Amino acid sequence: TQLLEQSPQFLSIQEGENLTVYCNSSSVFSSLQWYRQEPGEGPVLLVTVVTGGEVKKLKRLTFQFGDARKDSSLHITAAQPGDTGLYLCAGSTSGTYKYIFGTGTRLKVLA
Amino acid sequence: NAGVTQTPKFRVLKTGQSMTLLCAQDMNHEYMYWYRQDPGMGLRLIHYSVGEGTTAKGEVPDGYNVSRLKKQNFLLGLESAAPSQTSVYFCASHASGETDTQYFGPGTRLTVL
Repeated sequence: TQLLEQSPQFLSIQEGENLTVYCNSSSVFSSLQWYRQEPGEGPVLLVTVVTGGEVKKLKRLTFQFGDARKDSSLHITAAQPGDTGLYLCAGSTSGTYKYIFGTGTRLKVLA
Repeated sequence: NAGVTQTPKFRVLKTGQSMTLLCAQDMNHEYMYWYRQDPGMGLRLIHYSVGEGTTAKGEVPDGYNVSRLKKQNFLLGLESAAPSQTSVYFCASHASGETDTQYFGPGTRLTVL
């Protein structure tokens, strides 16, 4: 069974601080996606990474896919209250068309 | 263009009752998915479909059935609801490739008493 473990589970930080969220697995994924979910809504895709070692930037968010495609990280620089939400990673194995979601990291950024 | 819609938004059932959740997408997507979300467990895949007329089991299919008679609709049925099926249910769809954006509906909050 493929599993994706996210850490930390909860994170409460002050506005302006930096943070990193980790997504780890013992399985290899062909692609990995990061989502953000607001209360009462469905997840919204932030980024997809497909190549081992790939780094993608989305404004203050930096996403990295591990060289072995078993792990990923999300780094937020100078967090803002608008970054508050549940962050989910999801991995897919080529040809399966199924996504395995991580356990989630709930982030709260205090003004 | 409404994206992915789900009906109903909220529902309370008694143990043993049945119900159907409807997911509709207007983006002509091939792939559709049903997930459930429980506290501390992320999203777990119940069933999915890779095209009209096809369905397949996900991680947690027991107690659920699905149908995809039309490309734009994906129905999730609970034949005999149990308290363990209390959850928030999300439908999602995407176009073709696995790296395509997966679009989610707003969710259905189901409580089984």
